[in-house]
Amino acid sequence: NAGVTQTPKFQVLKTGQSMTLQCAQDMNHNSMYWYRQDPGMGLRLIYYSASEGTTDKGEVPNGYNVSRLNKREFSLRLESAAPSQTSVYFCASSEASQPTYEQYFGPGTRLTVT
Amino acid sequence: GENVEQHPSTLSVQEGDSAVIKCTYSDSASNYFPWYKQELGKRPQLIIDIRSNVGEKKDQRIAVTLNKTAKHFSLHITETQPEDSAVYFCAAAGWYSGGGADGLTFGKGTHLIIQP
Repeated sequence: NAGVTQTPKFQVLKTGQSMTLQCAQDMNHNSMYWYRQDPGMGLRLIYYSASEGTTDKGEVPNGYNVSRLNKREFSLRLESAAPSQTSVYFCASSEASQPTYEQYFGPGTRLTVT
Repeated sequence: GENVEQHPSTLSVQEGDSAVIKCTYSDSASNYFPWYKQELGKRPQLIIDIRSNVGEKKDQRIAVTLNKTAKHFSLHITETQPEDSAVYFCAAAGWYSGGGADGLTFGKGTHLIIQP
């Protein structure tokens, strides 16, 4: 049981390049989330998917797109990377239908845009 | 949307003393309040959480209190140890009918330093 996994762990992009961050969970969770973490800013929600087939914007969605490929996988795409998107990106999942509601985080992807 | 304020941003305490971190939230519909601990370079990990129908919850040296009227909640760590040194985040979330789970809104974090 790997929990939440993310690829890649590190990535350096040039301004204007595109890339997709991958996230998968093996806990049969319904809900999945993408956060970014910047120094002194805490974690901010980019997009979330309450269940397979649905996605919704969070606090900071501009410049990103997401795909809930199936129940296990939730990807985050940067179409044209900008230096302001330099950050650590965390994927998380939770069993929304359960009272505990705990969100389990992946190990993160450290992205640098030059 | 929800707004979560967290204080202090840095807290230094002597080993064995208690530490208290406070958070306020703005959305009265929020009903779930977790606390996460994050060590340097690691992922956030849940240490304790509380729901809006409970005023206090305790797990060994860690406790959380919630005041719904004032919209604030606090983390209390007693008998602090060196391994408690980390960044702690509070968060708030709502469970909106028909919408399933919502994402967490985090505070900006408290860097807790345990002095030997």
